[in-house]
Amino acid sequence: AQKVTQAQTEISVVEKEDVTLDCVYETRDTTYYLFWYKQPPSGELVFLIRRNSFDEQNEISGRYSWNFQKSTSSFNFTITASQVVDSAVYFCALSKDSGNTPLVFGKGTRLSVIA
Amino acid sequence: GAGVSQTPSNKVTEKGKYVELRCDPISGHTALYWYRQSLGQGPEFLIYFQGTGAADDSGLPNDRFFAVRPEGSVSTLKIQRTERGDSAVYLCASSLTGLVGDTQYFGPGTRLTVL
Repeated sequence: AQKVTQAQTEISVVEKEDVTLDCVYETRDTTYYLFWYKQPPSGELVFLIRRNSFDEQNEISGRYSWNFQKSTSSFNFTITASQVVDSAVYFCALSKDSGNTPLVFGKGTRLSVIA
Repeated sequence: GAGVSQTPSNKVTEKGKYVELRCDPISGHTALYWYRQSLGQGPEFLIYFQGTGAADDSGLPNDRFFAVRPEGSVSTLKIQRTERGDSAVYLCASSLTGLVGDTQYFGPGTRLTVL
């Protein structure tokens, strides 16, 4: 069965610090997709990134970067120079299986950025 | 363009009552998903539609839960004989094709409270 583990329940940082959110996944599929979503206090899940299992290149988008390592089944998310607006719950998710598209989510990491 | 919309935003009902939750996906999206999110947890898959048909309903917790999408657009999640344990935020998402890895875009959710 697919599983996503986000071991960090809550993280608190001071503004401008860098922070890394960990995500470890389990799957028997050779083809799969990984996602990160942000859930701000308003509650709506906001899509951040999608990565397929064949593409291990790291990705950078502004202050956000992602490190995908198949060898350790991890897909970690780093925010550089954090801002108060980054405060939210962040979810890592895995496509359910190679023939089916619903997502399996981790329990999320609540990030608080303090001014 | 308009995102996924869900109505009502909040629903309070009494134990044993019937409720309907509505989801209006992004125009042109063929796949529609329902998830349930309990406090402090990640979203959990309930059911997904490809067009008008339910492609996977393995996440529905029991036969009190049912969903329809009669014209391949709007979907309604129906819960009979509600129980206090049904209290949660019900999230709807849609994706363009429903193919593996296709990005799912979420609505703001309906917060259901069963008294």
